[in-house]
Amino acid sequence: EAQVTQNPRYLITVTGKKLTVTCSQNMNHEYMSWYRQDPGLGLRQIYYSMNVEVTDKGDVPEGYKVSRKEKRNFPLILESPSPNQTSLYFCASSRTGGEAAFFGQGTRLTVV
Amino acid sequence: QQQVKQSPQSLIVQKGGISIINCAYENTAFDYFPWYQQFPGKGPALLIAIRPDVSEKKEGRFTISFNKSAKQFSLHIMDSQPGDSATYFCAATHNYGQNFVFGPGTRLSVLP
Repeated sequence: EAQVTQNPRYLITVTGKKLTVTCSQNMNHEYMSWYRQDPGLGLRQIYYSMNVEVTDKGDVPEGYKVSRKEKRNFPLILESPSPNQTSLYFCASSRTGGEAAFFGQGTRLTVV
Repeated sequence: QQQVKQSPQSLIVQKGGISIINCAYENTAFDYFPWYQQFPGKGPALLIAIRPDVSEKKEGRFTISFNKSAKQFSLHIMDSQPGDSATYFCAATHNYGQNFVFGPGTRLSVLP
């Protein structure tokens, strides 16, 4: 089954404690991206990757890091999480950047 | 220039009625315009998409109308059903793999 898998689905952490949210896709897609979803703001892109070792900033990259060492995985790293990063996060993948994205189920992150 | 505006913010329609959601964009480089449907607790799911070389695309009860000169596109849901109650997002992107930009969303409620 074609899918984008995120882990964990729920995470509560404390300010400043580094965390990683994993994302994996099994469709051999070149393009992967991360979004955060906040009430009234819709989805905002954090980072995207056009292929292995190629990443670029989206609209709201501050406080986040990503890496793309292999095609199927695109982890989101919060080096020092802050409460304003409490949000619902989605990973997505596409065959190319200009096509429809397949979304994961989301990771609800709470930073206290 | 990257922004996508969406209206209305919320919409209530009677069963069997037509739901219409409108979006507008500024960046003329956008060449792919998908619509997503999101149910509570789930990731967005692609509903229908259009490229600017056509003015209309229909899939079942869902139709996208596209006006390139006005830089506007809209989603029409014919014979709306209670199961269509969800949040709908328009989006825009282009084939360079750059930002996938979303509208803020429309919460649709279809009354039985």
